[in-house]
Amino acid sequence: AQRVTQPEKLLSVFKGAPVELKCNYSYSGSPELFWYVQYSRQRLQLLLRHISRESIKGFTADLNKGETSFHLKKPFAQEEDSAMYYCALSGHGGSQGNLIFGKGTKLSVKP
Amino acid sequence: GAGVSQSPSNKVTEKGKDVELRCDPISGHTALYWYRQSLGQGLEFLIYFQGNSAPDKSGLPSDRFSAERTGGSVSTLTIQRTQQEDSAVYLCASSLAVKGGAFFGQGTRLTVV
Repeated sequence: AQRVTQPEKLLSVFKGAPVELKCNYSYSGSPELFWYVQYSRQRLQLLLRHISRESIKGFTADLNKGETSFHLKKPFAQEEDSAMYYCALSGHGGSQGNLIFGKGTKLSVKP
Repeated sequence: GAGVSQSPSNKVTEKGKDVELRCDPISGHTALYWYRQSLGQGLEFLIYFQGNSAPDKSGLPSDRFSAERTGGSVSTLTIQRTQQEDSAVYLCASSLAVKGGAFFGQGTRLTVV
């Protein structure tokens, strides 16, 4: 069964500190992994896709198949990064294409 | 429109009444998802439509919940005999391809009193 685990409900860091939001997954095949972000009073939006290996707003995430992890990292957190972050997993389309989310981690960046 | 649109934005209903929530996906998107977002519960998957395939209904919490997607476009989520525990934000999303990620609507906040 597909499952996404985000062990931290809340993560609080000071501005300029490194941040890592953890995500572990369970899936029998090769999944597609995503990070979504929801800023206060805004709709949920896509932040990163593992397949594109991109850096968005200074965030990166590497898929580690051995550890079944897809942790989100940023070397220097900014106050505007404060938001809810959701890790999500999907199969490869068709009936496998469902998108399953973790319970989310609330990131609070303090000045 | 350019994005996923949901209506109404807010809905207050009395316990026991039926409600219908509407989702207009991005034109051309073949996949459509419904989720429920409650405080402390994250995004709870409800139902997933993909093209002409049978929908994945495995997330629907009870038989009071049902959803349709007409003509491969607009979707309606229906909750019959609403209960107070149905109060939540209901989110709809659509996607063109799995690898591109999904685009979300602004949600419908349902309050059952």
